[in-house]
Amino acid sequence: GEDVEQSLFLSVREGDSSVINCTYTDSSSTYLYWYKQEPGAGLQLLTYIFSNMDMKQDQRLTVLLNKKDKHLSLRIADTQTGDSAIYFCAVWGGYKLSFGAGTTVTVRA
Amino acid sequence: EAGVTQFPSHSVIEKGQTVTLRCDPISGHDNLYWYRRVMGKEIKFLLHFVKESKQDESGMPNNRFLAERTGGTYSTLKVQPAELEDSGVYFCASSQPPDTQYFGPGTRLTVL
Repeated sequence: GEDVEQSLFLSVREGDSSVINCTYTDSSSTYLYWYKQEPGAGLQLLTYIFSNMDMKQDQRLTVLLNKKDKHLSLRIADTQTGDSAIYFCAVWGGYKLSFGAGTTVTVRA
Repeated sequence: EAGVTQFPSHSVIEKGQTVTLRCDPISGHDNLYWYRRVMGKEIKFLLHFVKESKQDESGMPNNRFLAERTGGTYSTLKVQPAELEDSGVYFCASSQPPDTQYFGPGTRLTVL
């Protein structure tokens, strides 16, 4: 199956930008997603990007896709305490999603 | 519009017992998926329904797991008998069309 790798932890100061990175193995993936899981909650779809795009911006979120390197990143501008959560990178292939292990983002004052 | 709901939110059972998890998808969503996250690792696909038919159950760990989707509405996932390694968070998701999946809050299963 698809391998999706993410760093496990990220600590960022409030107001700074956060960058969460993800690498994947299947170059034929057509959709790539970022999900957010807050404590005690389910997975919230944050944003997604089609594989024919390089970048997508949605308010404070910027997704960058480098298909050559199979690298996906999520940048959160002006990180707030409410952004503390686990962020999962997911790749869609043939109906099912392949997820990374999740990056736990901690926002410190 | 109501999102994906799952019941129970938590379940603690002893090894050898049976547990049934339930998922109610978003109304009108033909596609329903089950995933599992074990021990803080990656979330892994278990199976996919289209309406009441199993489209892909390649991720089901073994025959102790049985998923059903009667009438193409809600789905149940039964684990019988439960083993220690079955502990984890079980997520359900639904979609229509299939590319954007919306997840429920998950059921945390603990097998003692």
